[in-house]
Amino acid sequence: EVQLVQSGAEVKKPGESLKISCKGSGYSFTSYWIGWVRQMPGKGLEWMGIIYPGDSDTRYSPSFQGQVTISADKSISTAYLQWSSLKASDTAMYYCARRRLSAFDYWGQGTLVTVSS
Amino acid sequence: SYELTQPPSVSVSPGQTASITCSGDKLGDKYACWYQQKPGQSPVLVIYQDSKRPSGIPERFSGSNSGNTATLTISGTQAMDEADYYCQAWDSSLYVFGTGTKVTVL
Repeated sequence: EVQLVQSGAEVKKPGESLKISCKGSGYSFTSYWIGWVRQMPGKGLEWMGIIYPGDSDTRYSPSFQGQVTISADKSISTAYLQWSSLKASDTAMYYCARRRLSAFDYWGQGTLVTVSS
Repeated sequence: SYELTQPPSVSVSPGQTASITCSGDKLGDKYACWYQQKPGQSPVLVIYQDSKRPSGIPERFSGSNSGNTATLTISGTQAMDEADYYCQAWDSSLYVFGTGTKVTVL
C-alpha cells in the first residue's frame, strides 16, 4: 500500500527555521516525483515545488522560488520542505504528494505549520 | 503565469448532475486532472489525464477537456459528493491548480 506520512504539526515564531518531512512507503521512492502543496487557512491549493528523489532534480513554482528549499534523502525514502526564516504568512497546511502521469495520485495527511509571535 | 479559473460554487440536488468547469488558455492541449477535498481531509485524485478514473473512484465521476475548458461531471450526485473540487494542469514543467469550486448538494 502506497503511503506518504508527514511529520507532525509545528508552532514556530517569526524568524525561526523549520524543516518538515514526508516519508514514502509501499512503492519505489526513487522512481516518482514528490510535490509539495500549500493550503492557507480557508484557501485553495498552491503548488510549491517538486523533487525527483532518484537524482534530487528539483523544480520550484516562481511564487516560492527562494522562499523554501525542497530536498530528499533517498536512503530513508523521505522528502523535506524547509524554511530558513519563517513569516506569519507561512501559516498554512502543507501537503506532500506523489506525482504520476502529470497528476498527484497519493497525498500525505498534511502538516499544519503555525507561525505566531 | 498560467492560470486556471473555476466557478466559486455549484449547487446540485441529490440524484442530479453537477458540472464543474475549469478554464485556461489552450487547456485542451494539456492534460487536466481533478481533486476532491472534504473538510479537514487531504485532497483525493478523482480524474487524471482528462477523463481517467483512479481505482476506487465511482463511475459517476467523469471528465472531459477540449479547447480552453476542462469539465468534471458528477452524475447522480450523492450527499457524500459535497466537497471542494480543484482542477490541475501541467504547463512548462510547472503545476497549476484551479481556484476551486465548492459543490453543495441541496
